[in-house]
Amino acid sequence: QVQLVQSGAAVKKPGSSVKVSCKTSGGDFSSYGLSWVRQAPGEGLEWMGGIIPIVDSTEYAQKFQDRITITADEPSSTSIMELRSLRSDDTAVYYCARGIAVADEGVLHVWGQGTMVTVSS
Amino acid sequence: ETVLTQSPGTLSLSPGERATLSCRASQSVGRSYLAWYQQKPGQAPRLLIYGASSRATGIPDRFSGSGSGTDFTLTISRLEPEDFAVYYCQQYDTSPYTFGGGTKVEIK
Repeated sequence: QVQLVQSGAAVKKPGSSVKVSCKTSGGDFSSYGLSWVRQAPGEGLEWMGGIIPIVDSTEYAQKFQDRITITADEPSSTSIMELRSLRSDDTAVYYCARGIAVADEGVLHVWGQGTMVTVSS
Repeated sequence: ETVLTQSPGTLSLSPGERATLSCRASQSVGRSYLAWYQQKPGQAPRLLIYGASSRATGIPDRFSGSGSGTDFTLTISRLEPEDFAVYYCQQYDTSPYTFGGGTKVEIK
């Protein structure tokens, strides 16, 4: 059974950067797309971007294009999402989620537990 | 970017009743690449439906999805106590993979 385990909560200052990790266990890491989705307190879901590790292909939402990087490390089956130039409105729970099938990376079947990132001075 | 509008914002129903949730897209969603998720407080979302009408593994058959183009529907035939939650639609046809604003199904 595939599981995604994310890193712990973080508190960051405005203007700084955060890295959130997501480790896959119990299944193939490289062939399945992995997305990052965030949810501000009391708000809905927002897709930020994704990666397909086996081809090292990334795609980002235009909104985050200039300050997000998503990477994948195959030996450790871990993806890292880095968000830079943090603002208070980046305060949210950040989720990683795995696609349901190799060719269906957008269908988010398995989710991590979420990582709370708080941006505050 | 494809904007998804969900209605109603809140649905107040009793256990055993039928729930009908709507998701309308600002442009046609190709290949019916539309998914539905359920989210309960403090939990990650859970995939219910993909491809507009295919149930994910382990999802009860009281959940069904339909629609194509710009209009999609999630139906819960008979609400169970554990079904009271927030439901999101998502299109994965074109990047960015946008979500709707959600419909909260609450106990009446």
